[in-house]
Amino acid sequence: GAVVSQHPSRVICKSGTSVKIECRSLDFQATTMFWYRQFPKKSLMLMATSNEGSKATYEQGVEKDKFLINHASLTLSTLTVTSAHPEDSSFYICSARLGQGYGYTFGSGTRLTVV
Amino acid sequence: DAKTTQPNSMESNEEEPVHLPCNHSTISGTDYIHWYRQLPSQGPEYVIHGLTSNVNNRMASLAIAEDRKSSTLILHRATLRDAAVYYCILRSGGATNKLIFGTGTLLAVQP
Repeated sequence: GAVVSQHPSRVICKSGTSVKIECRSLDFQATTMFWYRQFPKKSLMLMATSNEGSKATYEQGVEKDKFLINHASLTLSTLTVTSAHPEDSSFYICSARLGQGYGYTFGSGTRLTVV
Repeated sequence: DAKTTQPNSMESNEEEPVHLPCNHSTISGTDYIHWYRQLPSQGPEYVIHGLTSNVNNRMASLAIAEDRKSSTLILHRATLRDAAVYYCILRSGGATNKLIFGTGTLLAVQP
């Protein structure tokens, strides 16, 4: 089946630094990937749609300059949280789909803690 | 995006069937019904999806009402590992292919 690998699974960074999260489709090509964030005991909130070879599409209220998305290849999308602050601490999850007629596969998530 | 309504929580006993309901009265003709589940501190896991007909797979069954305004996810024999938050999501069959999550149902399974 389709596998999406997300790395790292956990990261702790200092306030003001940047953190990069990788999302890879291991056995399929994904022209589109999705990035979500999730606060404790809350549902997933879609942040942006990552498009291979073009700019990401951000959901309303998500700062594109703070959450930089790069989708340079058909198997890799990255999310960089720039100048991170404690309020950016969250669980970040990526997703992709094998193709029409399939469900969506999610990464195992990245727990970001900004101190 | 059309919305779904699910109970906040449900309880089940191990080895018994579980019926998780979902209402989606504003569903459009091209909306697919997707179900995912999420265990604590993990990414969601695909369970099943369908359009009009009932669907079965190794994990569950999806029963879709004739008017498509509601659906039910059926776990035929609950195990402790099925304890999770279950999300019912409508995905447009058009150009927009993103999934928008609602609040889901927290399923507790008692031994």
